[in-house]
Amino acid sequence: GAGVSQSPSNKVTEKGKDVELRCDPISGHTALYWYRQSLGQGLEFLIYFQGNSAPDKSGLPSDRFSAERTGGSVSTLTIQRTQQEDSAVYLCASSLNHDRANEQFFGPGTRLTVL
Amino acid sequence: SQQGEEDPQALSIQEGENATMNCSYKTSINNLQWYRQNSGRGLVHLILIRSNEREKHSGRLRVTLDTSKKSSSLLITASRAADTASYFCATVEYGNKLVFGAGTILRVKS
Repeated sequence: GAGVSQSPSNKVTEKGKDVELRCDPISGHTALYWYRQSLGQGLEFLIYFQGNSAPDKSGLPSDRFSAERTGGSVSTLTIQRTQQEDSAVYLCASSLNHDRANEQFFGPGTRLTVL
Repeated sequence: SQQGEEDPQALSIQEGENATMNCSYKTSINNLQWYRQNSGRGLVHLILIRSNEREKHSGRLRVTLDTSKKSSSLLITASRAADTASYFCATVEYGNKLVFGAGTILRVKS
């Protein structure tokens, strides 16, 4: 079956521009996570959505970052006024529900490069 | 298939004691990572150890890596009630895809 998909796979942008990253979770998965992985670093949790509950935004590094999840499925991570330090791989993951978060299925990621 | 596998599955200790969790994996790795998940929270990255490192420290955490045995251990010293969480090791597979083990549930009793 289809796994988690993300688009674009690569994004190069100029400093100060806005970018939108998309995540399509596995159908039926109610929990969706966004992570960021900078070069040589471990995953940095950004935000997660669980069903219709308010998202946990505690990992967002600044107010330039926001995310939404429409209809409980597709999610978009938006970075406004991008900075060079935003360059990283942005990973999305989904799980059946948050109680089984260890069984996270990750997308291939979006590699963001801010020039 | 699952790459990292932790044991024990669950661990219950008293505050102040040390907690040791182990992880085994199957394939060659570039690095191995440990994560913590508090109830109702996302995964939090704890520490990364590279394949050419044997031991790494971060605060009360000590991680060892034995590539010949394809195993790693996470030691938490002087545990606190706030350390109660699930702990996962993860290895990188197929590029940036992280493969997590089933995790160890640690409960620290005060």
